[in-house]
Amino acid sequence: DQQVKQNSPSLSVQEGRISILNCDYTNSMFDYFLWYKKYPAEGPTFLISISSIKDKNEDGRFTVFLNKSAKHLSLHIVPSQPGDSAVYFCAASADDMRFGAGTRLTVKP
Amino acid sequence: KAGVTQTPRYLIKTRGQQVTLSCSPISGHRSVSWYQQTPGQGLQFLFEYFSETQRNKGNFPGRFSGRQFSNSRSEMNVSTLELGDSALYLCASSEDSPRNNSPLHFGNGTRLTVT
Repeated sequence: DQQVKQNSPSLSVQEGRISILNCDYTNSMFDYFLWYKKYPAEGPTFLISISSIKDKNEDGRFTVFLNKSAKHLSLHIVPSQPGDSAVYFCAASADDMRFGAGTRLTVKP
Repeated sequence: KAGVTQTPRYLIKTRGQQVTLSCSPISGHRSVSWYQQTPGQGLQFLFEYFSETQRNKGNFPGRFSGRQFSNSRSEMNVSTLELGDSALYLCASSEDSPRNNSPLHFGNGTRLTVT
């Protein structure tokens, strides 16, 4: 059961522009949401999180937005850099943590 | 602090065999979770252990089992291996259970190939 969905398998953006990665969830019990970044041959690395009591959290170039009524969250990366090229996983937590299928972001120089 | 360590990095087994994967969490972390990653499926939750007790289990058959020791190290076992079990198995630790909004810290995984 895919409780966390990332419908875009890939995204390509130009260096310096904004990258927007999207995620939808179905379980209304989720109360904590996270984004992870994964490079080949490495485990996912925690990037940023947001609690369900907030609708926005910023950390440098990364901002996560949460729309609880739509059960939707997004990650904005501004400005995008070639080093941001990786697979990004959305995750949501209730009793345990569930992940989406990932979006491969490619940032072109 | 040392990160999450998983051994071995690579494994090749044949159908019907069993396999044991090992995970050493970050020092002080009491929760260990296991995930299976396959192409297009993302990370599928296997189970979570906290203080030697299995707290949650995903939708995997009983061939998949695990345990956690008193030092928080964890092992995962898969019996009667099938071709479809070929995947990257990731272990993650956290200071507290994910239910308490504690981020997971992942190891680099064990790549299992079943032939």
